[in-house]
Amino acid sequence: AQSVTQPDIHITVSEGASLELRCNYSYGATPYLFWYVQSPGQGLQLLLKYFSGDTLVQGIKGFEAEFKRSQSSFNLRKPSVHWSDAAEYFCAVGRGYGGATNKLIFGTGTLLAVQP
Amino acid sequence: DVKVTQSSRYLVKRTGEKVFLECVQDMDHENMFWYRQDPGLGLRLIYFSYDVKMKEKGDIPEGYSVSREKKERFSLILESASTNQTSMYLCASSYAGRGNEKLFFGSGTQLSVL
Repeated sequence: AQSVTQPDIHITVSEGASLELRCNYSYGATPYLFWYVQSPGQGLQLLLKYFSGDTLVQGIKGFEAEFKRSQSSFNLRKPSVHWSDAAEYFCAVGRGYGGATNKLIFGTGTLLAVQP
Repeated sequence: DVKVTQSSRYLVKRTGEKVFLECVQDMDHENMFWYRQDPGLGLRLIYFSYDVKMKEKGDIPEGYSVSREKKERFSLILESASTNQTSMYLCASSYAGRGNEKLFFGSGTQLSVL
């Protein structure tokens, strides 16, 4: 069965420092992969997605993610974190069968804190 | 601007009550979803609807039902609320078909069952 693992529950970085949030997935075929962000009191917003092609995908707010099939990973990165990036980040995989590719399976989330 | 609106931000109910959570989207999306979000568990899919009057169970449908009588509205029903249904409930919508996996989420309803 498909699954998503986010090994880091909570991460704290300094403003201006680089960021990498980890995501590992379990899926038999080429997965549809997503990163969503949830700011306090808000719903989730799509940061970026990977379906096929170039394994390095660019998203909104200066984020990028790299799909590595050999490691079953889809880590999210940002070169310089801003205080407004403090939020919870969710990795997700689409189930990929029939028309149900958007029945997403979410990871447990990584809560990012940004210190001045 | 796209919008998914959940009728209540906070809701407090008593055990055994019938609870309705409402969600409306203004984007003419075919697909609508109900997730619940719990600390340490992430988001889990309760129910999914791909058309009016059509629905599919998600991963945790027990204790819930849904209704979709109009394309823009998707209701989650707790037939007899229990304390273990205290949670944040998130509604989402999307277009159908591959390549349309972007979900648009509402701001959520925090339900407390006492």
